[in-house]
Amino acid sequence: DAGVIQSPRHEVTEMGQEVTLRCKPISGHDYLFWYRQTMMRGLELLIYFNNNVPIDDSGMPEDRFSAKMPNASFSTLKIQPSEPRDSAVYFCASSFRASGMVGETQYFGPGTRLLVL
Amino acid sequence: TQLLEQSPQFLSIQEGENLTVYCNSSSVFSSLQWYRQEPGEGPVLLVTVVTGGEVKKLKRLTFQFGDARKDSSLHITAAQPGDTGLYLCAGARSNTGKLIFGQGTTLQVKP
Repeated sequence: DAGVIQSPRHEVTEMGQEVTLRCKPISGHDYLFWYRQTMMRGLELLIYFNNNVPIDDSGMPEDRFSAKMPNASFSTLKIQPSEPRDSAVYFCASSFRASGMVGETQYFGPGTRLLVL
Repeated sequence: TQLLEQSPQFLSIQEGENLTVYCNSSSVFSSLQWYRQEPGEGPVLLVTVVTGGEVKKLKRLTFQFGDARKDSSLHITAAQPGDTGLYLCAGARSNTGKLIFGQGTTLQVKP
């Protein structure tokens, strides 16, 4: 398996523009997670899905952020409109079962580095 | 509120030295994981500890879960430049489906 695939790897945009980040989880994994990583706040969970259904979106910063998972092999994280404070590395991760179950692992993608000017 | 506190945040040592990284919380976790992240990549799982007092070894790395399952430590013996990276601890509660990550410890091992 190719692992978790994210695109684009780098994105530079101007304030106010719409940004769409994409993720393809590992085939057969039922859980998909979106994280944001910054120096100041570390790795923060934004939202996660189970079987394509959003389970917990309490980490989504505000209404400018939205995430969808139309099928088991694809998810998007959209920021509209983008702001400079959204600059961060956004990671997608997937797992077969719920985190916390013995032996369960989250597999992370390489991340999308977003810079909003 | 940071539920998992890691210390130290930054560590720069010489090759061959030993070090310990701590991960502390006031909350109880059903399991705790340690990840390592290299620049430009996502975190990669090193180990999962589940039982209070559990000790796991991975070559020169020793991981321990506190008896009360609120804290954990990572000890590296004879550090090598290849150990350089960001070390993250992450706690899970039962089967909530999600992990809570610490802020991370950036380790630099100089040759």
